[in-house]
Amino acid sequence: DTGVSQDPRHKITKRGQNVTFRCDPISEHNRLYWYRQTLGQGPEFLTYFQNEAQLEKSRLLSDRFSAERPKGSFSTLEIQRTEQGDSAMYLCASSPTGGGQPQHFGDGTRLSIL
Amino acid sequence: GENVEQHPSTLSVQEGDSAVIKCTYSDSASNYFPWYKQELGKRPQLIIDIRSNVGEKKDQRIAVTLNKTAKHFSLHITETQPEDSAVYFCAASNGLTGGGNKLTFGTGTQLKVEL
Repeated sequence: DTGVSQDPRHKITKRGQNVTFRCDPISEHNRLYWYRQTLGQGPEFLTYFQNEAQLEKSRLLSDRFSAERPKGSFSTLEIQRTEQGDSAMYLCASSPTGGGQPQHFGDGTRLSIL
Repeated sequence: GENVEQHPSTLSVQEGDSAVIKCTYSDSASNYFPWYKQELGKRPQLIIDIRSNVGEKKDQRIAVTLNKTAKHFSLHITETQPEDSAVYFCAASNGLTGGGNKLTFGTGTQLKVEL
């Protein structure tokens, strides 16, 4: 399968702990996006990368959130000092460079904060 | 920023009937409009998309129409089948003027196709 893959699929942690998620995009895609989806809502944009450069961050992405894509391939999203409100599905998507290119999503990482 | 509204939030149709989902957007610079289908516990799957240089696009039983003047676009599913039951999301982006193609999603429509 050469689609977008995310790891882990589920993460349960206690409030205040740090968590890190990984996303492996489709290999030929230069753009990588992170979204967050809560129950009954559409995905909300968090941040995106063009190769290794992080080009935009949403105001939703507080100082506790950091994302990296060091070699322009896989990406990690870290949440420090997790809070109850961080419970959500974290989705990764990738696309080729260029306007109007379709984004393909991974299965997501479901984060539950106890 | 962009704001996308989607209606209805739930839609129930009989198998074989048509289903229509409507979305409006606020940013006149938006130029790319994809539709995603999401089954319970699964990833959003792109089912069709349209760019602002066309008014309509069709792929088998699925079609999308775009009215740039009114800033709304619609998804049409004909001859619905039980496997069409899912949540459908519309989205909009501005990818041609440095917007990076980030998607702004609607709140989703739960489509139920009844036998």
